[in-house]
Amino acid sequence: EVQLVESGGGLVQPGRSLRLSCAASGFTFDDYAMHWVRQAPGKGLEWVSGISWNSGSIGYADSVKGRFTISRDNAKNSLYLQMNSLRAEDTALYYCAKDRSWPDEYYFDYWGQGTLVTVSS
Amino acid sequence: QLVLTQSPSASASLGASVKLTCTLSSGHSSYAIAWHQQQPEKGPRYLMKLNSDGSHSKGDGIPDRFSGSSSGAERYLTISSLQSEDEADYYCQTWGTGIHRVFGGGTKLTVL
Repeated sequence: EVQLVESGGGLVQPGRSLRLSCAASGFTFDDYAMHWVRQAPGKGLEWVSGISWNSGSIGYADSVKGRFTISRDNAKNSLYLQMNSLRAEDTALYYCAKDRSWPDEYYFDYWGQGTLVTVSS
Repeated sequence: QLVLTQSPSASASLGASVKLTCTLSSGHSSYAIAWHQQQPEKGPRYLMKLNSDGSHSKGDGIPDRFSGSSSGAERYLTISSLQSEDEADYYCQTWGTGIHRVFGGGTKLTVL
């Protein structure tokens, strides 16, 4: 059974940093790209960042580029999101999502339950 | 620019059918998409991948009541025999080249 468990969320002041983690199990982690997706309160889903299986391809939404850094440790079956210079508009539930990673099938086939990040003074 | 457009809301009666629409931006009518469901206070769940020819493949455990179809740049999710647990937000999602992914704005489905 595929499981994605996020952790590391919490209340943080504007301008500070936070590191999210996602522990993966139930599949061969280093075969698949992984992503972070967020959902602000009462809003829709927003793709934040993605990383290929070997970290050779990395991308960010314009809203977080230059402030967030995605990484992965295939030996630990873990995905990370380092969030710096946090802003109030980064307040959201952050989901870890597995990519299907198959030709013409680059959708999220499994999701975690999310970890809440609140940016407020 | 690759954009997905969804109506913000839809409603249908218990036991009836509903068809939700996701529209691909100009120049992208051949793209496949995926549909995801998010029930209240839960994380999203993958429903199906939908191709431009209307063929689709569903995720594990997705009931037969959920089906997909396509016409031009439109991608549809049809839910038949609506049940109360189908009341949820539905998002379409697609991909271009590279690692970037795109979501539609989501449709909130109310079951009357």
